[in-house]
Parts: sequence; structure tokens; C-alpha cells
Amino acid sequence: GEDVEQSLFLSVREGDSSVINCTYTDSSSTYLYWYKQEPGAGLQLLTYIFSNMDMKQDQRLTVLLNKKDKHLSLRIADTQTGDSAIYFCAVFSGGYNKLIFGAGTRLAVHP
Amino acid sequence: GAVVSQHPSRVICKSGTSVKIECRSLDFQATTMFWYRQFPKQSLMLMATSNEGSKATYEQGVEKDKFLINHASLTLSTLTVTSAHPEDSSFYICSARPGMNTEAFFGQGTRLTVV
Repeated sequence: GEDVEQSLFLSVREGDSSVINCTYTDSSSTYLYWYKQEPGAGLQLLTYIFSNMDMKQDQRLTVLLNKKDKHLSLRIADTQTGDSAIYFCAVFSGGYNKLIFGAGTRLAVHP
Repeated sequence: GAVVSQHPSRVICKSGTSVKIECRSLDFQATTMFWYRQFPKQSLMLMATSNEGSKATYEQGVEKDKFLINHASLTLSTLTVTSAHPEDSSFYICSARPGMNTEAFFGQGTRLTVV
């Protein structure tokens, strides 16, 4: 079956860049998403990338996709304390017609 | 972006009662909506895919008689937790897509506590 994996925890210093990585198994994936979840809140769509792209930049966010290795990353430039949250990678599985989530990466930003 | 509204945001109910959660797409029509469940400090687990005008497709291990899903219109899907038990306490989130192969938008979630 389909699977999405992420590292569980990342700690960075304020002002540094954060890179959150994700790997997936479904080669028929069409859309790949990054969501942010703050404590007790729902999911906020940060950005997404089509499978025929290898990079997308949106202000402080850069998404890189290596389709050959099935590897997705989210880079947050100039990380701020307000970026502290859980970040979920999600892959839309075309073969299974559903959105599959990784376990989430907890980003902690310290002074 | 598109807006998905989920109601209620929090609900506390007694064991044995049923609870209905609504998911509405406010500015688009959604032929497909998804229901997820999130346990504390864990990822979202897809429970079922709700298709307008037809029966929902449940994931393996999800009891369809316990988690009733009704997608009566292109803007509304409901999840009813029947005969709720404390182990059903969780965070339930819905999402909807405006069309095939588009991004998914999420509701704000419903925290269900069964006492």
C-alpha cells in the first residue's frame, strides 16, 4: 500500500532555515502538499506542488520534489517563533484516489 | 483559498449518545469529501471518502455502522458517531476538493469528548 514518512522532530534557531523532509512510495502521486497544524487547530494548507514540477517557491517557503527518489522537502527561510507547529506532508494517491498523510514533523524554534 | 466550515468545533457527549458533525464547502461544490481522525500527537488517519449521492467508501478497520456518513448535497457532508464511547474521543477533520486533481481544503476540526 501507499506510505508517507517524515522525521518526527526538528529544532532550529530563530532566523535560520528549516528543512523538513518527506518520502513517499506511490509513484502515481499527482499532488503533494504541505500542511501546518498549530496546537488544537485544524490544518492550514501552506503550499503544494504538482508532480511534474521539481521546485516551487512561495515567499519564505520552498518546496523541492525529487520524483525519481520520491522525496519531497519544505524549506522555511528565516524561521520565526511563529513557525513552531507540526508540519504534515500529504500525497494525493492517484491510484487510490485519496490523500495520504505523513506522521507530521514537530518544528521547534528557539531563540 | 476555498473555505470549508466544520461544525461544531467542540462537543462533549455522554456515552451511548450519538453526535453529528457537519462539513460544508462554503464557496465551491465538492463531489468528494474526506473524513479524518487524529489521535493525540499522531497523524491524520483517513476514515472514509464521502461521495455525493452515493455510499461512502470506508477505510479498512473503520466501522461503517458506527461512523455514519451522509453526503446529501454538493456542499454538505455529515459524520455521525453513533453510540459514542470514550474511546471515540478524538479530533475529527473533514476536507473537500473542488474537483478531481485539485488541492484539498480542510475544516477547522471537531474535538469530540465522550464522557
